[in-house]
Amino acid sequence: DQQVKQNSPSLSVQEGRISILNCDYTNSMFDYFLWYKKYPAEGPTFLISISSIKDKNEDGRFTVFLNKSAKHLSLHIVPSQPGDSAVYFCAALRSGSARQLTFGSGTQLTVLP
Amino acid sequence: DGGITQSPKYLFRKEGQNVTLSCEQNLNHDAMYWYRQDPGQGLRLIYYSQIVNDFQKGDIAEGYSVSREKKESFPLTVTSAQKNPTAFYLCASSSGQGRSQGYTFGSGTRLTVV
Repeated sequence: DQQVKQNSPSLSVQEGRISILNCDYTNSMFDYFLWYKKYPAEGPTFLISISSIKDKNEDGRFTVFLNKSAKHLSLHIVPSQPGDSAVYFCAALRSGSARQLTFGSGTQLTVLP
Repeated sequence: DGGITQSPKYLFRKEGQNVTLSCEQNLNHDAMYWYRQDPGQGLRLIYYSQIVNDFQKGDIAEGYSVSREKKESFPLTVTSAQKNPTAFYLCASSSGQGRSQGYTFGSGTRLTVV
């Protein structure tokens, strides 16, 4: 049973446009969410996070939105750049958890020049 | 520079053989984790350890074993009991301070059974 779902395995966007990556979760005990970026043959790197007490967190070109009632979060990248092409993983932490992240299956973003 | 080192980067194993993947960190992190990545399935937790000499099974622990004799090291052994070991293996660590840091990952080991 996948508790964190990324239903789009791939997304292609033109350079300079907005990229929107989506993530849904089913466990209402999740209270902290993170996005990781991964290049081939490398480990994921932390990108941005959001606590469940917020609905938006922004860091430069990256913004994460959280809709708790819908159990949905999204990552917006504006403007998209070719170097953003990578796999993006959504991850979630349960309240009281000893930092055991539950990951989604990832979305391959391709930014076309 | 602090970080996590996984070795080797590529590993080939014959069927029926055990093989050990190395993971070392110099971040002074208490917790360490092993994940497996398969195409289209994201990252699945194999084992984790929150403290030296203690570790817990994750979602897919069958066919794997670990040890945590030192804070810096968390080796993973893929045993012959693991039916489908070919995958990309990722080691990660995290500190005990706050939640915003998430995990720090190593660069991974690609294991192929030949």
